[in-house]
Amino acid sequence: KQEVTQIPAALSVPEGENLVLNCSFTDSAIYNLQWFRQDPGKGLTSLLLIQSSQREQTSGRLNASLDKSSGRSTLYIAASQPGDSATYLCAVPPNTGNQFYFGTGTSLTVIP
Amino acid sequence: DTGVSQNPRHKITKRGQNVTFRCDPISEHNRLYWYRQTLGQGPEFLTYFQNEAQLEKSRLLSDRFSAERPKGSFSTLEIQRTEQGDSAMYLCASSLGEGLEQYFGPGTRLTVT
Repeated sequence: KQEVTQIPAALSVPEGENLVLNCSFTDSAIYNLQWFRQDPGKGLTSLLLIQSSQREQTSGRLNASLDKSSGRSTLYIAASQPGDSATYLCAVPPNTGNQFYFGTGTSLTVIP
Repeated sequence: DTGVSQNPRHKITKRGQNVTFRCDPISEHNRLYWYRQTLGQGPEFLTYFQNEAQLEKSRLLSDRFSAERPKGSFSTLEIQRTEQGDSAMYLCASSLGEGLEQYFGPGTRLTVT
């Protein structure tokens, strides 16, 4: 079974800092990898999806990278803002793509 | 509104009662997924549909749980004889196809007292 780990579990940074969130997975036979954001008590908002053949994907201040062979992905957030405060989750489907295995998330707090 | 919607948003029920949740996916999406999320954890897969066919069920989905997607549109998730351990956020997601980007609804928070 795919195991997805996210480190750190919690992160607190001052506004304006650049930061990196980490996601690792045990089975490199993945279809793609998706990063989500979740605000307290809410559903998940898709941020970025990286196909297994891609190395990077960018959207605004967010950049996600994927290294399938080492089982790792990173989410880089540039010039963090208080509105970025949320829990960030990574998720991977197996090659059959039928479901997503989620990590437990990184809770980010950006201090004004 | 073109997003995934879920109703109700909150449900409080007494142990032993039956509850039913509804999910309306994005209209052109043929895949629909149900997940359960407890506090401090990532979502856990429960089941998914390809159009009206339920193709996979997790071991988490006990006999008290049943899901349907009549006509391949909206889906319902029913929990019979609820237990306190069923208290969680129930999330629905939809996608255009296998392995493609999933879009989530706001979730239904169930509290069993």
